[in-house]
Amino acid sequence: DVVLTQTPPTLSATIGQSVSISCRSSQSLLDSDGDTYLNWLLQRPGQSPQLLIYSVSNLESGVPNRFSGSGSETDFTLKISGVEAEDLGVYYCMQATHAPLTFGSGTKLEIK
Amino acid sequence: QVTLKESGPGILQPSQTLSLTCSFSGFSLSTSGICVSWIRQPSGKGLEWLATICWEDSKGYNPSLKNRLTISKDTSNNQAFLKITSVDTADTAIYYCALNYGGRWGQGVMVTVSS
Repeated sequence: DVVLTQTPPTLSATIGQSVSISCRSSQSLLDSDGDTYLNWLLQRPGQSPQLLIYSVSNLESGVPNRFSGSGSETDFTLKISGVEAEDLGVYYCMQATHAPLTFGSGTKLEIK
Repeated sequence: QVTLKESGPGILQPSQTLSLTCSFSGFSLSTSGICVSWIRQPSGKGLEWLATICWEDSKGYNPSLKNRLTISKDTSNNQAFLKITSVDTADTAIYYCALNYGGRWGQGVMVTVSS
């Protein structure tokens, strides 16, 4: 199975601060069709996860553009440019290139 | 508007079969490219993909659950189903269904396995 390693496990930020979360894969997530199926999810406290970014860098509809994704092959980053209070929660990367689908262990974002 | 809602028994005993239903609207499982996935999350822990079924009836299962999983669909009633046989306490979790591979998620249903 593909192992996704997220760092840091926890992150504390002030409102307006920019932060980044890393997701490293145990193998390349570049699919034979040319796409890279690496997504980012946010799970707010007490809620179900929601999709933020799909295929590395595509912003899901309705998601604020302070969220951005980048990376390739095995190394990916989620950046929040100017954290807001509503951004607190646990961020997960997930891959759908290789079966079985797998998730990172999560990064908990706390607001100072 | 895409919505999904899971339903299940709430509590069941070890060795029983867990049956879950995902009722959805805003899309059809007969549309090319559309799939529904099941994912679970034990309390306070991470996410585990269980299974996916797609419009042409292809199915994928997490091999870690061996042969305990069966996914199916009722296209005409906009529902997808998951059965897990021989449950034990390790299957206690919130169970989610999601559009495709996590595009939109339901609210989740809590399932407790206890004697």
